[in-house]
Amino acid sequence: AQKVTQAQTEISVVEKEDVTLDCVYETRDTTYYLFWYKQPPSGELVFLIRRNSFDEQNEISGRYSWNFQKSTSSFNFTITASQVVDSAVYFCALSEVGSGTYKYIFGTGTRLKVLA
Amino acid sequence: SQTIHQWPATLVQPVGSPLSLECTVEGTSNPNLYWYRQAAGRGLQLLFYSVGIGQISSEVPQNLSASRPQDRQFILSSKKLLLSDSGFYLCAWTTGVSAGELFFGEGSRLTVL
Repeated sequence: AQKVTQAQTEISVVEKEDVTLDCVYETRDTTYYLFWYKQPPSGELVFLIRRNSFDEQNEISGRYSWNFQKSTSSFNFTITASQVVDSAVYFCALSEVGSGTYKYIFGTGTRLKVLA
Repeated sequence: SQTIHQWPATLVQPVGSPLSLECTVEGTSNPNLYWYRQAAGRGLQLLFYSVGIGQISSEVPQNLSASRPQDRQFILSSKKLLLSDSGFYLCAWTTGVSAGELFFGEGSRLTVL
């Protein structure tokens, strides 16, 4: 069965530090998709990235970067030079095909606190 | 452009009372619809998803149910609420063509007393 594990419940860093959020997934499908979402204190979920299982290239978007490694079933997220505005809960998610559509399974989230 | 709305935003209900949360998507047709619950410290739990009118898939056995009476309407219900039903409920949609971005509503915070 599909599963997403975010072992880090909460991380605290000082502003300008780099921080990596870990995500490990389990799936039997060869075709799947991985996502990261950000949930700021307001509660809404903000989409950050989507990656399919055939594309292992790392991606960088400004201060954000993602490292996808199929060999270790990991999809880690790094924030460089963290800022207070990065404080939020971050969710990793996995999508597989099920019952004719795509199910999206989320991890338990990592709460990031960036201290000024 | 597409939008998704949930209501009510906040709800306080006594144990044993019924529940109805509504979700409506605008600006798209035939969306795949999802209900998630976020309980404290437990992440986002998938409750139900639907690929079309009247088609509901349940992920977690519980005292909740879902219905899709119209193409862009998704309703989460309970006949008798339990304390453990408290949480933040999120509705989401996607096109279903491929595993694209899930678009989330603003959420409904339910407190059962």
